[in-house]
Amino acid sequence: DAKTTQPPSMDCAEGRAANLPCNHSTISGNEYVYWYRQIHSQGPQYIIHGLKNNETNEMASLIITEDRKSSTLILPHATLRDTAVYYCIVRVTGSARQLTFGSGTQLTVLP
Amino acid sequence: GAVVSQHPSWVICKSGTSVKIECRSLDFQATTMFWYRQFPKQSLMLMATSNEGSKATYEQGVEKDKFLINHASLTLSTLTVTSAHPEDSSFYICSAIPGPSNSPLHFGNGTRLTVT
Repeated sequence: DAKTTQPPSMDCAEGRAANLPCNHSTISGNEYVYWYRQIHSQGPQYIIHGLKNNETNEMASLIITEDRKSSTLILPHATLRDTAVYYCIVRVTGSARQLTFGSGTQLTVLP
Repeated sequence: GAVVSQHPSWVICKSGTSVKIECRSLDFQATTMFWYRQFPKQSLMLMATSNEGSKATYEQGVEKDKFLINHASLTLSTLTVTSAHPEDSSFYICSAIPGPSNSPLHFGNGTRLTVT
């Protein structure tokens, strides 16, 4: 699975949009981009995933660049409860494979 | 949505004893489950892949005789930490895939193990 690069930490003001970048320049054509987050002392929570089109759900939006070498997770109106470590992971489709976690981005939402 | 339940959420045991952690898929069947371990301030590390009806596959460096995995049904996998030592103290998390193989993994809420 392709390696991802994320900034180690980011701050965001409560109520503002949080934009979390991820670089995956070696991504292959059959790899999806997944985003998870982990709130302290809990299991990771699935947020969203996509292949090449932008995706949106009730939690967030995922913007994938046309060359698929990077993506951005957008939390449109961050709340204090969004403070967590956010993981960007790429994973091959078509097989029941595990997720390989990197270091992630610690997002702190400030009041 | 798909729910993965882990029990217990925390456990304290004495050195030398064994501890069993259960991972259940509540509203779906899981042929494959994954067990992760997370030390403080570190990311999740895959320990093993649990396959229903067959032997688990362990990652390099994980002792299969120490971390016994049983996946006897499509909704339950168990991880037993045998002869636990203080260095086994960690956060153990299971996950499962609730659908086609490219579906997102769903995770349990983890088990905090403290060995005294």
